[in-house]
Amino acid sequence: AQSVTQPDIHITVSEGASLELRCNYSYGATPYLFWYVQSPGQGLQLLLKYFSGDTLVQGIKGFEAEFKRSQSSFNLRKPSVHWSDAAEYFCAVGAFYGGSQGNLIFGKGTKLSVKP
Amino acid sequence: DGGITQSPKYLFRKEGQNVTLSCEQNLNHDAMYWYRQDPGQGLRLIYYSQIVNDFQKGDIAEGYSVSREKKESFPLTVTSAQKNPTAFYLCASKFRDRGRRDTEAFFGQGTRLTVV
Repeated sequence: AQSVTQPDIHITVSEGASLELRCNYSYGATPYLFWYVQSPGQGLQLLLKYFSGDTLVQGIKGFEAEFKRSQSSFNLRKPSVHWSDAAEYFCAVGAFYGGSQGNLIFGKGTKLSVKP
Repeated sequence: DGGITQSPKYLFRKEGQNVTLSCEQNLNHDAMYWYRQDPGQGLRLIYYSQIVNDFQKGDIAEGYSVSREKKESFPLTVTSAQKNPTAFYLCASKFRDRGRRDTEAFFGQGTRLTVV
């Protein structure tokens, strides 16, 4: 079965420090992968996506992610974190579900706190 | 502006009452989804609909019902059979690109339901 694991429930980084959020997936074929961000009490906003091609993908707000097939990983990175990046981050894989394509399987999320 | 509108943002209901959450989109998307979010649980799929007049159960459909009479609308009813309905509910939609396997989902701002 398809699944997504985000090993870190909560991460705290200092403002200006680099960030890496981990995501591992289980999927039988080439996955479609996504990272979303959620501010408290809000919906989810797409940060970036991987469908095919270059394994390093650029997203909004200075985020990037690298697809590593050999490690079944799609880690999210940012070289310098800003206080406004504090939020919850979700990794998701596009999956077949009950014969219908296009349903997303989400990880449980990583909450990012930023220290001044 | 195109987008997904969920209403209301906050909803309070007495135990044993049915309640309907609204989700409307003007993105001309074919597919629509309902997710439930609980702290530390990520997003869990309740129901989804790929086309009008058709919908499928997700992972946690028990105690919920939906309809898809119009492309733009996908209301969710939380029935009295749902044992623990207090949660944050998110609606999403996707464009079905028949030349590709998946596309990104767009999310509404969510409805927080509290049952007392």
